[in-house]
Amino acid sequence: QLQLQESGPGLVKPSETLSLTCTVSGDSISSSTYYWGWIRQSPGKGLEWIGSFFYTGGTFYNPSLKSRGTISVDTSKNQFSLKLNSVTAADTAVYYCAREHSNGCPAAYWGQGTLVTVSS
Amino acid sequence: QSALTQPASVSGSPGQSITISCTGTSTDVGAYNYVSWYQQHPGKAPKLLIYDVSNRPSGVSNRFSGSKSGNTASLTISGLQAEDEAEYYCTSFTTSISAHYVFGTGTDVTVL
Repeated sequence: QLQLQESGPGLVKPSETLSLTCTVSGDSISSSTYYWGWIRQSPGKGLEWIGSFFYTGGTFYNPSLKSRGTISVDTSKNQFSLKLNSVTAADTAVYYCAREHSNGCPAAYWGQGTLVTVSS
Repeated sequence: QSALTQPASVSGSPGQSITISCTGTSTDVGAYNYVSWYQQHPGKAPKLLIYDVSNRPSGVSNRFSGSKSGNTASLTISGLQAEDEAEYYCTSFTTSISAHYVFGTGTDVTVL
């Protein structure tokens, strides 16, 4: 059964870099035919898609991030990561990693989510 | 890229049917049959209900159905049950500015 689990610091200072990792079990990222990605939800607010990647097909990001986000993959650990630089309080959110259902549907399987607070 | 527009809240009595709209533009909802719907209970990760406008993943009740007309997609919940009380979000693929996904503003469903 596919499972995703986010991990990383729960507190990040303004202007620094947010770093999160998603550990995948039940599927291999490197041989998967699906896109994997990140989605966030600010407290009390709606969902925002951050970005997705296909292991052999490239990565695409939400243009609203203004190039602050980078998704990378560690196939040896079957993990993928998100780095978001120059964070502000507006980046405070629950961050979810996810795997798509099919082309055009960004998330069918979700991690439990991890809260990241940006504060000094 | 602006979020897709959903009504803030919709309510209904048990057994009734309700419909949630999701209005976008000709560069997202109107352009692709890539509209999905999610249900989110408080403190939980969202759950996929509908993909590709009207398809249900395995295990999702047939009380949930989706459709689209022009730039507006809709989710209908029939035979409303207490467990349907949750937040609902739509999302669409878009190529506005660059290829990405945009979510709806969310709809709070209350079962009276």
